[in-house]
Amino acid sequence: DGGITQSPKYLFRKEGQNVTLSCEQNLNHDAMYWYRQDPGQGLRLIYYSQIVNDFQKGDIAEGYSVSREKKESFPLTVTSAQKNPTAFYLCASSTPSTGARTDTQYFGPGTRLTVL
Amino acid sequence: QKEVEQNSGPLSVPEGAIASLNCTYSDRGSQSFFWYRQYSGKSPELIMFIYSNGDKEDGRFTAQLNKASQYVSLLIRDSQPSDSATYLCAVNSQRNSGYSTLTFGKGTMLLVSP
Repeated sequence: DGGITQSPKYLFRKEGQNVTLSCEQNLNHDAMYWYRQDPGQGLRLIYYSQIVNDFQKGDIAEGYSVSREKKESFPLTVTSAQKNPTAFYLCASSTPSTGARTDTQYFGPGTRLTVL
Repeated sequence: QKEVEQNSGPLSVPEGAIASLNCTYSDRGSQSFFWYRQYSGKSPELIMFIYSNGDKEDGRFTAQLNKASQYVSLLIRDSQPSDSATYLCAVNSQRNSGYSTLTFGKGTMLLVSP
């Protein structure tokens, strides 16, 4: 089965801790994305990567970091610098954007992070 | 900052009725438009995408795009209680990186009553 997996499903973090959220896809997609969703809000883009070993900041990158060493994997680290990290984190993948169009993004099941 | 606006709802319709969901966007250069459905506590799943002006039909769903008015809508015919969810509109925009990404609206909650 092709798809996107995220782990863990639930994650609890203490103040001052860094945590890493995993995202893996076997759809052979070049592009991967991280979004954050707060209650009653739409999705906000944290980081995106269109190709291995390259990534760009989205709209709310402060306090987050990513790496893209493999095509299949795009882990997100929530650092202690992120002031309000409690949220639902969603990873997505797609074929890379070409020209002015964007291809469909497919989402993983999400990780719900809570700061204690 | 590119914006995508949706009425938060809830939009309440009886079973069997047509539900009409609307979305406006600010970037005149947008070329790709998506509707996602999100059940409570779950991740978004694609309903439809549309690239060209006009209507696009897929089963009970019809997406309508009017680029001149910067308006995209989703019609759901013969609404079912299982359609009760939040519907997210997403629109692409070109970034300084040269890549285009999606901007999401906050979503419209749809409630279909039996």
